[in-house]
Amino acid sequence: AQTVTQSQPEMSVQEAETVTLSCTYDTSESDYYLFWYKQPPSRQMILVIRQEAYKQQNATENRFSVNFQKAAKSFSLKISDSQLGDAAMYFCAYRSAWETSGSRLTFGEGTQLTVNP
Amino acid sequence: AAGVIQSPRHLIKEKRETATLKCYPIPRHDTVYWYQQGPGQDPQFLISFYEKMQSDKGSIPDRFSAQQFSDYHSELNMSSLELGDSALYFCASSRTSAEQYFGPGTRLTVT
Repeated sequence: AQTVTQSQPEMSVQEAETVTLSCTYDTSESDYYLFWYKQPPSRQMILVIRQEAYKQQNATENRFSVNFQKAAKSFSLKISDSQLGDAAMYFCAYRSAWETSGSRLTFGEGTQLTVNP
Repeated sequence: AAGVIQSPRHLIKEKRETATLKCYPIPRHDTVYWYQQGPGQDPQFLISFYEKMQSDKGSIPDRFSAQQFSDYHSELNMSSLELGDSALYFCASSRTSAEQYFGPGTRLTVT
């Protein structure tokens, strides 16, 4: 079974600064997907960014980018120019690529990000 | 853009009662997933359906059942409710791709 670990229960950052959230995972599979989801106080789960394991290039979405280290099974999220609206719980998630449909997401424990004005 | 719709948004039930949660996926999405998120916890996968057939099953209690209908909407039926079933229940949908898009959730409180 796959496991996802987020070792930082809480992080804080000053507005306009950069912060990096850590995630490690354990799997015996060679092909999979990794995601970061954001859960603000509204509790809505919002997809932030996605990475395919077969791609060496790190994914980027505006101010959000990842550092994917497949050999180390590490998948960190970097938020640049942090904004007050970035304050939320961030979940790292794993999904097997072996099934094209129906595969579950396995989540880490989450990192609560606070953005200080 | 259309999103996943869940109803009701809030539900209060007493112990041993039955609850039914509904999920309407994003149009043209063929896969529906159900997750349970307890207080202070990460979402836990319950069950999923692809083209109206169960495709994956997680830690779903035997008291719970679910199905996907011909119009692709899904219902999660929960019987003999226990206090520990109080949680946020998410439905997510996808279309033969990796991304799962989540609905706003149904907050179930069992008293």
